[in-house]
Amino acid sequence: NAGVTQTPKFQVLKTGQSMTLQCAQDMNHNSMYWYRQDPGMGLRLIYYSASEGTTDKGEVPNGYNVSRLNKREFSLRLESAAPSQTSVYFCASSEGRFNQPQHFGDGTRLSIL
Amino acid sequence: QQPVQSPQAVILREGEDAVINCSSSKALYSVHWYRQKHGEAPVFLMILLKGGEQKGHDKISASFNEKKQQSSLYLTASQLSYSGTYFCGTEWGGGFKTIFGAGTRLFVKA
Repeated sequence: NAGVTQTPKFQVLKTGQSMTLQCAQDMNHNSMYWYRQDPGMGLRLIYYSASEGTTDKGEVPNGYNVSRLNKREFSLRLESAAPSQTSVYFCASSEGRFNQPQHFGDGTRLSIL
Repeated sequence: QQPVQSPQAVILREGEDAVINCSSSKALYSVHWYRQKHGEAPVFLMILLKGGEQKGHDKISASFNEKKQQSSLYLTASQLSYSGTYFCGTEWGGGFKTIFGAGTRLFVKA
């Protein structure tokens, strides 16, 4: 049972390039999330999808777009990467909307030069 | 909106106890606790719901005081495996999302 799978695990981009981070879960969860983690900042929510067909902004959505492709997959796109977007990106999923534990993927380490 | 965790870091010897606090300025519905080891993904520990309940998980337990909008994580008789960064995440009336604190680094030495 894979849980939450993120691809790629590592990526280096040049400023201005675009990139899509992929996330898939096999737990039949309804809700999915994208976070970024920077040193000393904890996990900050970028976007989330409470259920298939819906997406909403989190704390730090600027410079990102998301697509909830189906119940399993939730992708994060950087249209024009900036050095400030260098971070570790985590995808997570949970069974329902409220009061549910979140299961995290292993993360994507993204560097933008 | 981000909950405040304290302390920021703590160093323990094996067998010692620790308390990590999480406080919010918002009225909370629930509090999540996660542990993250270096280079790994956060792992769920427990959720506490509105109602002031206390939960336990092996030698790790937590309480939730909704009146004070605070939660505390208690680590008893710490083991080397407890080392990592502990995050609290709070849910309030802002939608289907959890907002995480900046984390508390815990290091347990032999």
